[in-house]
Amino acid sequence: EAQVTQNPRYLITVTGKKLTVTCSQNMNHEYMSWYRQDPGLGLRQIYYSMNVEVTDKGDVPEGYKVSRKEKRNFPLILESPSPNQTSLYFCASSWAETDTQYFGPGTRLTVL
Amino acid sequence: GENVEQHPSTLSVQEGDSAVIKCTYSDSASNYFPWYKQELGKGPQLIIDIRSNVGEKKDQRIAVTLNKTAKHFSLHITETQPEDSAVYFCAAWANTGNQFYFGTGTSLTVIP
Repeated sequence: EAQVTQNPRYLITVTGKKLTVTCSQNMNHEYMSWYRQDPGLGLRQIYYSMNVEVTDKGDVPEGYKVSRKEKRNFPLILESPSPNQTSLYFCASSWAETDTQYFGPGTRLTVL
Repeated sequence: GENVEQHPSTLSVQEGDSAVIKCTYSDSASNYFPWYKQELGKGPQLIIDIRSNVGEKKDQRIAVTLNKTAKHFSLHITETQPEDSAVYFCAAWANTGNQFYFGTGTSLTVIP
């Protein structure tokens, strides 16, 4: 089954404790992206990747890192999480940037 | 950068009636406009999209119109059904910046 998976689905952590949210897709897509969703703000793009080893900042990249060492995986790294990073995070993938994006199920992160 | 505004934020319609959601964008270089449906607890799912070289696109009960001059695009759902109840997001792909900008969402409720 074609899908985008994210782990964990739920995470409660404390300020400053490094964490990684994994994202994997099995569709051989080249374009992958991370979004955060906050009430009243819609989805905002954090980082995106056009292909392996090619990543770039989206609209709200501060406090986040990403890597794309393999085509299928695109982890989101929070080196020192802060409470303002409490949000619902979505990973997405597509063949190209203006093709159908397939979203993962989301990761709800709470930073205390 | 691009700014996408979406209206209304909430919409209630009787089953069988039509629903219209409108979005405006600011960057005249934007050329791809997808619409997503998000059900509770799930990631957004593409329902229809339109490119800047097309004025209208239809898929069964769903249609999207684009007015490039006025920089707005709209989602039209006809013969609404209770299963159409969800949050709908519009988005615009901006070549300047190579990223997606989303509207703030419309919560649609279809009353049986």
